[in-house]
Amino acid sequence: GAVVSQHPSWVICKSGTSVKIECRSLDFQATTMFWYRQFPKQSLMLMATSNEGSKATYEQGVEKDKFLINHASLTLSTLTVTSAHPEDSSFYICSVQTGQGATEAFFGQGTRLTVV
Amino acid sequence: AQSVTQLGSHVSVSEGALVLLRCNYSSSVPPYLFWYVQYPNQGLQLLLKYTTGATLVKGINGFEAEFKKSETSFHLTKPSAHMSDAAEYFCAVKRETSYDKVIFGPGTSLSVIP
Repeated sequence: GAVVSQHPSWVICKSGTSVKIECRSLDFQATTMFWYRQFPKQSLMLMATSNEGSKATYEQGVEKDKFLINHASLTLSTLTVTSAHPEDSSFYICSVQTGQGATEAFFGQGTRLTVV
Repeated sequence: AQSVTQLGSHVSVSEGALVLLRCNYSSSVPPYLFWYVQYPNQGLQLLLKYTTGATLVKGINGFEAEFKKSETSFHLTKPSAHMSDAAEYFCAVKRETSYDKVIFGPGTSLSVIP
């Protein structure tokens, strides 16, 4: 299966600053990556679909200007949380899909963002 | 539209007892179905998946699940619970389409009592 690595694993930032989270597909060229957000004791909610070389597709209710996604290469997608606020504190997880028909979904280890 | 429901946000079983985590889905097209496990502050690990073929699917760590189309269910079972099984379990669905999003259920927290 695919190995997906996220960096950093955790980050603390001040309100109003921006934070960049990287998602790397280490052994698979991913034209599409997915970004999820998970609040404590809740399920994963899809934020956006990241497409290599084109604009990301955001889910309803997700502010594209606040959560900037860049998928500049087949192995790297980045999520930048701009002007972060405490309510943005969450667990962010990226995912790639592989296999014929993309039947396999593999996830990074997640990034814990705390905004103070 | 697709959706997943998991009956019971929290399940407790005794060590050695049967584990049964329930999952029902709705999908307008044939779905792919998954069970994932998540340990605290970690990403998700795939336990098993159903795509096509045999409806009884075996996964890692002794887990298995059965796809029942008539009941739109994909319940997860394990004959004998182990302490290390304590975690959060998510049932998920995606369309039978390449690179389509995975939709997760609300999750079930499994506790194993010694």
